[in-house]
Amino acid sequence: AQSVAQPEDQVNVAEGNPLTVKCTYSVSGNPYLFWYVQYPNRGLQFLLKYITGDNLVKGSYGFEAEFNKSQTSFHLKKPSALVSDSALYFCAVRDDSGYALNFGKGTSLLVTP
Amino acid sequence: GAGVSQSPRYKVAKRGQDVALRCDPISGHVSLFWYQQALGQGPEFLTYFQNEAQLDKSGLPSDRFFAERPEGSVSTLKIQRTQQEDSAVYLCASSVRQGPSMEAFFGQGTRLTVV
Repeated sequence: AQSVAQPEDQVNVAEGNPLTVKCTYSVSGNPYLFWYVQYPNRGLQFLLKYITGDNLVKGSYGFEAEFNKSQTSFHLKKPSALVSDSALYFCAVRDDSGYALNFGKGTSLLVTP
Repeated sequence: GAGVSQSPRYKVAKRGQDVALRCDPISGHVSLFWYQQALGQGPEFLTYFQNEAQLDKSGLPSDRFFAERPEGSVSTLKIQRTQQEDSAVYLCASSVRQGPSMEAFFGQGTRLTVV
């Protein structure tokens, strides 16, 4: 079985400050981890993924994510938040035995000017 | 456009009616997924195709749900005898890759409302 937990329903941050959106996962095999963003009235957009190798993964729009095996976490980060980053963020996991991508319930990010 | 296209964008069905939702994946994409997203929740996996083969249908909630991709491109998700709990956004996604590392590119979804 595989699952993802996003412990925060909402994260608020001021523009220009660093942001972190938290994600922890549970898989029985090797984890393949993904972050997606969903803007209002738009589809889910792929941001980045972790397969293997470097624990710090860089993605689109200046986002990065840090994989921590011992803590089973894959937190999304950005050094300096923009108002336009305000959206719904989903963490997802797949293991190496299946096809299904299992999503968390999402975290709403609000960046204020 | 070059993205995943879904139609219709919105569908209102009377309870008991059959519906068909269409997905046009990105050209050349081998993998195709269907997901169901209820309000305020993350997407839930329904089924997976690799070309025309349906390799995983473990997420289909009942035998009223049926998906096909006969020529390995366009896919249709059919729901028979719709019920109110079927109301959700149905998302289609495709990937050029196969295997666990594949990232999927999503369409905007079809919002189904059963009344």
